[in-house]
Amino acid sequence: LAKTTQPISMDSYEGQEVNITCSHNNIATNDYITWYQQFPSQGPRFIIQGYKTKVTNEVASLFIPADRKSSTLSLPRVSLSDTAVYYCLPNNAGNMLTFGGGTRLMVKP
Amino acid sequence: EADIYQTPRYLVIGTGKKITLECSQTMGHDKMYWYQQDPGMELHLIHYSYGVNSTEKGDLSSESTVSRIRTEHFPLTLESARPSHTSQYLCASSDLGRDQPQHFGDGTRLSIL
Repeated sequence: LAKTTQPISMDSYEGQEVNITCSHNNIATNDYITWYQQFPSQGPRFIIQGYKTKVTNEVASLFIPADRKSSTLSLPRVSLSDTAVYYCLPNNAGNMLTFGGGTRLMVKP
Repeated sequence: EADIYQTPRYLVIGTGKKITLECSQTMGHDKMYWYQQDPGMELHLIHYSYGVNSTEKGDLSSESTVSRIRTEHFPLTLESARPSHTSQYLCASSDLGRDQPQHFGDGTRLSIL
């Protein structure tokens, strides 16, 4: 299973754009890259998923370079409610997810 | 809008008791999973199932057991609870296919006295 590396924590202010980059150097050819968000005392929640280039939905954008060894989650104009832990995971054919420590995002007023 | 339900949300119980944590999903997903997560720590996969009558152990060794008699139901059982079992247990499900994300319940926070 591919191992991921993310910053342990990040701070931001309301209204700013936040970019969280994840490295996954040994990602497999068939793996998708999935990002989850987790609030305290809740289960992780799917945010966005991509295979290559750029994906955008109503919540975030995901940028994946051609070599797919990294990906960047972009949260536009964050609010206090975006304070959470964000996980990047390669999603393989067996759907076996290996959660790392994630990135703790703190949004300040 | 939760389509995957875990009960109870919180459980405080004494050592030696038999415990069953319930997990049900209404999405018709074939795959289901149990994760264990201590506060502020990583999630660890402890059990998963590909469908009815299928159960497999995950990356983290656990004294718990699971069963999958019905597609929508994936209960986790501890025969004799110990303080070391204190943790949060999260259930998830997903459809078949490599691009199918997992849907998580809100977990059961278990405390063994």
